[in-house]
Amino acid sequence: SAVISQKPSRDICQRGTSLTIQCQVDSQVTMMFWYRQQPGQSLTLIATANQGSEATYESGFVIDKFPISRPNLTFSTLTVSNLSPEDSSIYLCSVLGLPSSAGNTIYFGEGSWLTVV
Amino acid sequence: RKEVEQDPGPFNVPEGATVAFNCTYSNSASQSFFWYRQDCRKEPKLLMSVYSSGNEDGRFTAQLNRASQYISLLIRDSKLSDSATYLCVVRGPFSGSARQLTFGSGTQLTVLP
Repeated sequence: SAVISQKPSRDICQRGTSLTIQCQVDSQVTMMFWYRQQPGQSLTLIATANQGSEATYESGFVIDKFPISRPNLTFSTLTVSNLSPEDSSIYLCSVLGLPSSAGNTIYFGEGSWLTVV
Repeated sequence: RKEVEQDPGPFNVPEGATVAFNCTYSNSASQSFFWYRQDCRKEPKLLMSVYSSGNEDGRFTAQLNRASQYISLLIRDSKLSDSATYLCVVRGPFSGSARQLTFGSGTQLTVLP
């Protein structure tokens, strides 16, 4: 499996500010994904980060609120803009594993814990 | 109805006990199934894939029942270190993208000394 590094691992931010999360993978991958996990909830896919083109956002997530960069095949950033307490979550970067007879698995970075005050 | 449903628990069991979790899914075209483990304030990590014929990895056994659209995870001889949240993950008919993955809300397990 790929080694996925995220930073910051945690942060406390003031409402109205923005936080940028970085994700570095130790190998080139075609697609990187950003998830959100709100307290007590399951994981929700925010967007697919595409190299060389705009990210593909899921329903309920927009580029103005969650701008994503993907300058190369090993790196991506997710910015959470105009923070409100509802944005307090763990944000996870992920990549797909190699295909297997069981299908593609998914691997996650360590996560970035955001608390908005 | 949720696409993937799990009993949230918590399951509190003594060390050495056997515990089983079920997960139901609504999309009959689902192709792949996984169990992930998530420790408190950590990222989810793949525990095991679930094969059609069922599979075992040490104390862990996973089963798939396509007719009834559920998967199960059995943990034998529970250890304190098994305490975590167990996430059921289901993939739709097309691979190659995370968009086809649906995560359950997780079942919380606490193994007591």
